[in-house]
Amino acid sequence: GQNIDQPTEMTATEGAIVQINCTYQTSGFNGLFWYQQHAGEAPTFLSYNVLDGLEEKGRFSSFLSRSKGYSYLLLKELQMKDSASYLCAVRDSNYQLIWGAGTKLIIKP
Amino acid sequence: IAGITQAPTSQILAAGRRMTLRCTQDMRHNAMYWYRQDLGLGLRLIHYSNTAGTTGKGEVPDGYSVSRANTDDFPLTLASAVPSQTSVYFCASSGGTGGHEQFFGPGTRLTVL
Repeated sequence: GQNIDQPTEMTATEGAIVQINCTYQTSGFNGLFWYQQHAGEAPTFLSYNVLDGLEEKGRFSSFLSRSKGYSYLLLKELQMKDSASYLCAVRDSNYQLIWGAGTKLIIKP
Repeated sequence: IAGITQAPTSQILAAGRRMTLRCTQDMRHNAMYWYRQDLGLGLRLIHYSNTAGTTGKGEVPDGYSVSRANTDDFPLTLASAVPSQTSVYFCASSGGTGGHEQFFGPGTRLTVL
Protein backbone atom coordinates (compact mmCIF):
# COMPACT_ATOMS: atom_id res chain seq x y z
CA GLY A 1 0.00 0.00 0.00
CA GLN A 2 0.96 3.64 -0.26
CA ASN A 3 1.72 5.60 2.87
CA ILE A 4 2.83 9.10 3.81
CA ASP A 5 3.76 9.70 7.46
CA GLN A 6 4.20 13.04 9.19
CA PRO A 7 3.78 14.13 12.81
CA THR A 8 0.27 15.14 13.75
CA GLU A 9 1.20 18.29 15.63
CA MET A 10 4.26 20.34 16.51
CA THR A 11 4.80 23.42 18.68
CA ALA A 12 7.51 26.03 18.20
CA THR A 13 8.39 29.51 19.41
CA GLU A 14 8.21 32.70 17.38
CA GLY A 15 11.60 33.48 15.86
CA ALA A 16 12.87 29.92 16.17
CA ILE A 17 13.47 27.18 13.57
CA VAL A 18 11.31 24.09 13.12
CA GLN A 19 11.76 20.97 10.97
CA ILE A 20 8.73 18.97 9.84
CA ASN A 21 9.55 15.46 8.68
CA CYS A 22 7.79 13.32 6.10
CA THR A 23 8.47 9.69 5.24
CA TYR A 24 6.84 7.93 2.35
CA GLN A 25 6.28 4.54 0.77
CA THR A 26 4.65 4.82 -2.62
CA SER A 27 4.35 2.92 -5.86
CA GLY A 28 6.81 4.95 -7.85
CA PHE A 29 8.09 8.46 -7.26
CA ASN A 30 7.70 11.49 -9.48
CA GLY A 31 8.31 14.29 -7.06
CA LEU A 32 7.40 15.48 -3.58
CA PHE A 33 5.38 18.57 -2.74
CA TRP A 34 4.87 20.60 0.42
CA TYR A 35 1.73 22.67 0.88
CA GLN A 36 0.61 25.06 3.59
CA GLN A 37 -3.00 25.12 4.73
CA HIS A 38 -4.38 27.69 7.16
CA ALA A 39 -7.47 26.67 9.09
CA GLY A 40 -10.60 26.92 6.97
CA GLU A 41 -8.65 27.69 3.81
CA ALA A 42 -7.36 25.86 0.75
CA PRO A 43 -3.87 24.36 0.55
CA THR A 44 -1.27 26.57 -1.14
CA PHE A 45 1.93 25.35 -2.78
CA LEU A 46 5.23 25.81 -0.93
CA SER A 47 7.88 23.65 -2.56
CA TYR A 48 8.67 20.83 -4.97
CA ASN A 49 11.57 18.35 -4.85
CA VAL A 50 12.30 15.71 -7.46
CA LEU A 51 16.07 15.32 -7.02
CA ASP A 52 17.97 14.65 -3.80
CA GLY A 53 19.10 17.69 -1.89
CA LEU A 54 17.94 20.96 -0.46
CA GLU A 55 15.71 23.52 -2.15
CA GLU A 56 15.71 26.93 -0.48
CA LYS A 57 13.02 29.54 -0.92
CA GLY A 58 13.26 32.44 1.49
CA ARG A 59 12.52 31.35 5.04
CA PHE A 60 11.40 27.92 3.85
CA SER A 61 13.62 25.06 2.68
CA SER A 62 12.74 21.52 1.67
CA PHE A 63 15.04 18.50 1.61
CA LEU A 64 14.65 15.17 -0.18
CA SER A 65 16.39 11.80 0.09
CA ARG A 66 14.85 9.38 -2.37
CA SER A 67 16.89 6.41 -1.17
CA LYS A 68 15.53 6.89 2.36
CA GLY A 69 11.99 7.84 1.32
CA TYR A 70 12.36 10.96 3.42
CA SER A 71 11.79 14.67 3.19
CA TYR A 72 11.68 17.57 5.59
CA LEU A 73 10.40 21.12 5.50
CA LEU A 74 12.51 23.64 7.41
CA LEU A 75 10.95 26.90 8.52
CA LYS A 76 13.27 29.61 9.83
CA GLU A 77 12.58 32.82 11.75
CA LEU A 78 9.11 31.62 12.63
CA GLN A 79 6.29 34.14 12.56
CA MET A 80 2.84 33.87 14.08
CA LYS A 81 1.36 33.71 10.57
CA ASP A 82 3.22 30.42 10.04
CA SER A 83 0.70 28.74 12.33
CA ALA A 84 -0.95 26.35 9.89
CA SER A 85 -1.01 22.75 8.76
CA TYR A 86 1.77 21.57 6.48
CA LEU A 87 0.92 18.85 4.00
CA CYS A 88 3.41 16.48 2.39
CA ALA A 89 2.38 14.86 -0.91
CA VAL A 90 4.16 12.43 -3.22
CA ARG A 91 3.37 12.02 -6.90
CA ASP A 92 3.27 8.32 -7.66
CA SER A 93 3.86 6.26 -10.81
CA ASN A 94 0.38 7.22 -12.09
CA TYR A 95 1.23 10.91 -11.61
CA GLN A 96 -1.39 11.21 -8.88
CA LEU A 97 -0.65 12.91 -5.57
CA ILE A 98 -0.72 10.81 -2.41
CA TRP A 99 -1.20 13.06 0.61
CA GLY A 100 -0.12 12.83 4.20
CA ALA A 101 -2.62 13.80 6.91
CA GLY A 102 -0.71 17.01 7.58
CA THR A 103 1.24 18.45 10.50
CA LYS A 104 -0.45 21.15 12.53
CA LEU A 105 2.18 23.69 13.54
CA ILE A 106 1.43 25.86 16.56
CA ILE A 107 3.58 28.97 17.04
CA LYS A 108 3.81 30.44 20.52
CA PRO A 109 4.99 33.99 21.27
CA ILE B 1 -12.26 35.62 -12.28
CA ALA B 2 -8.68 34.75 -11.57
CA GLY B 3 -7.71 31.26 -10.54
CA ILE B 4 -10.15 28.58 -9.52
CA THR B 5 -13.61 29.01 -8.02
CA GLN B 6 -16.06 26.65 -6.37
CA ALA B 7 -19.77 26.89 -5.58
CA PRO B 8 -21.49 26.70 -3.25
CA THR B 9 -19.25 27.71 -0.34
CA SER B 10 -21.25 25.49 1.99
CA GLN B 11 -24.36 23.37 1.82
CA ILE B 12 -26.56 21.33 4.13
CA LEU B 13 -28.23 18.50 2.29
CA ALA B 14 -30.78 15.87 3.20
CA ALA B 15 -29.70 12.27 2.65
CA GLY B 16 -30.90 10.88 -0.64
CA ARG B 17 -30.82 14.23 -2.44
CA ARG B 18 -28.80 14.87 -5.57
CA MET B 19 -26.16 17.59 -5.45
CA THR B 20 -23.70 19.07 -7.92
CA LEU B 21 -20.62 20.92 -6.74
CA ARG B 22 -19.30 23.36 -9.31
CA CYS B 23 -15.69 24.12 -10.16
CA THR B 24 -14.37 26.60 -12.73
CA GLN B 25 -10.81 27.64 -13.56
CA ASP B 26 -9.59 30.34 -15.91
CA MET B 27 -5.93 29.34 -16.06
CA ARG B 28 -6.40 27.06 -19.11
CA HIS B 29 -5.02 24.15 -17.10
CA ASN B 30 -5.38 20.74 -18.69
CA ALA B 31 -5.66 18.70 -15.50
CA MET B 32 -8.36 19.04 -12.85
CA TYR B 33 -9.05 17.12 -9.65
CA TRP B 34 -11.66 16.64 -6.95
CA TYR B 35 -10.55 15.83 -3.39
CA ARG B 36 -12.30 15.38 -0.11
CA GLN B 37 -10.66 16.34 3.16
CA ASP B 38 -11.73 14.78 6.43
CA LEU B 39 -10.34 15.43 9.90
CA GLY B 40 -7.25 13.33 10.60
CA LEU B 41 -6.99 12.09 7.04
CA GLY B 42 -5.01 13.36 4.10
CA LEU B 43 -6.67 14.74 1.02
CA ARG B 44 -8.22 11.86 -0.88
CA LEU B 45 -8.67 11.94 -4.63
CA ILE B 46 -12.22 11.29 -5.82
CA HIS B 47 -11.98 11.81 -9.58
CA TYR B 48 -9.60 13.52 -11.96
CA SER B 49 -9.41 14.68 -15.55
CA ASN B 50 -6.12 14.97 -17.42
CA THR B 51 -7.70 16.89 -20.29
CA ALA B 52 -11.12 17.98 -21.54
CA GLY B 53 -13.24 15.01 -22.57
CA THR B 54 -11.49 12.48 -20.31
CA THR B 55 -12.02 11.52 -16.67
CA GLY B 56 -10.60 8.93 -14.30
CA LYS B 57 -11.34 7.41 -10.92
CA GLY B 58 -9.28 8.26 -7.89
CA GLU B 59 -8.96 6.60 -4.52
CA VAL B 60 -12.58 7.11 -3.34
CA PRO B 61 -14.87 7.42 -6.38
CA ASP B 62 -17.95 5.51 -5.15
CA GLY B 63 -21.07 7.65 -4.94
CA TYR B 64 -19.59 10.42 -7.08
CA SER B 65 -19.50 11.23 -10.78
CA VAL B 66 -17.80 13.92 -12.85
CA SER B 67 -17.81 15.31 -16.37
CA ARG B 68 -15.36 17.44 -18.31
CA ALA B 69 -17.14 18.94 -21.28
CA ASN B 70 -14.63 21.79 -21.65
CA THR B 71 -11.29 22.97 -20.25
CA ASP B 72 -12.69 25.34 -17.64
CA ASP B 73 -15.42 23.39 -15.84
CA PHE B 74 -15.29 20.21 -13.78
CA PRO B 75 -18.53 19.56 -11.83
CA LEU B 76 -18.81 16.85 -9.18
CA THR B 77 -22.19 15.16 -8.69
CA LEU B 78 -23.44 13.18 -5.72
CA ALA B 79 -26.32 11.17 -7.17
CA SER B 80 -27.88 10.25 -3.82
CA ALA B 81 -26.09 11.83 -0.87
CA VAL B 82 -25.29 9.82 2.28
CA PRO B 83 -24.06 11.10 5.68
CA SER B 84 -20.56 9.62 5.08
CA GLN B 85 -20.17 12.14 2.27
CA THR B 86 -20.12 14.96 4.82
CA SER B 87 -16.75 16.56 4.16
CA VAL B 88 -14.88 19.53 2.75
CA TYR B 89 -14.49 19.20 -1.00
CA PHE B 90 -11.63 20.84 -2.86
CA CYS B 91 -11.28 21.22 -6.59
CA ALA B 92 -7.78 21.68 -7.98
CA SER B 93 -6.10 22.20 -11.32
CA SER B 94 -2.60 21.94 -12.73
CA GLY B 95 -0.87 22.81 -15.96
CA GLY B 96 0.17 19.20 -16.55
CA THR B 97 1.49 16.08 -14.90
CA GLY B 98 5.20 16.85 -15.06
CA GLY B 99 6.55 19.14 -12.35
CA HIS B 100 3.44 21.25 -12.05
CA GLU B 101 1.92 22.08 -8.71
CA GLN B 102 -1.80 21.92 -8.14
CA PHE B 103 -3.80 25.07 -7.47
CA PHE B 104 -6.77 24.70 -5.17
CA GLY B 105 -10.18 26.30 -5.07
CA PRO B 106 -11.53 27.66 -1.77
CA GLY B 107 -13.50 24.49 -1.01
CA THR B 108 -17.12 23.50 -0.42
CA ARG B 109 -18.18 22.42 3.06
CA LEU B 110 -20.93 19.82 2.63
CA THR B 111 -23.06 18.41 5.43
CA VAL B 112 -25.39 15.50 4.68
CA LEU B 113 -28.04 14.87 7.32
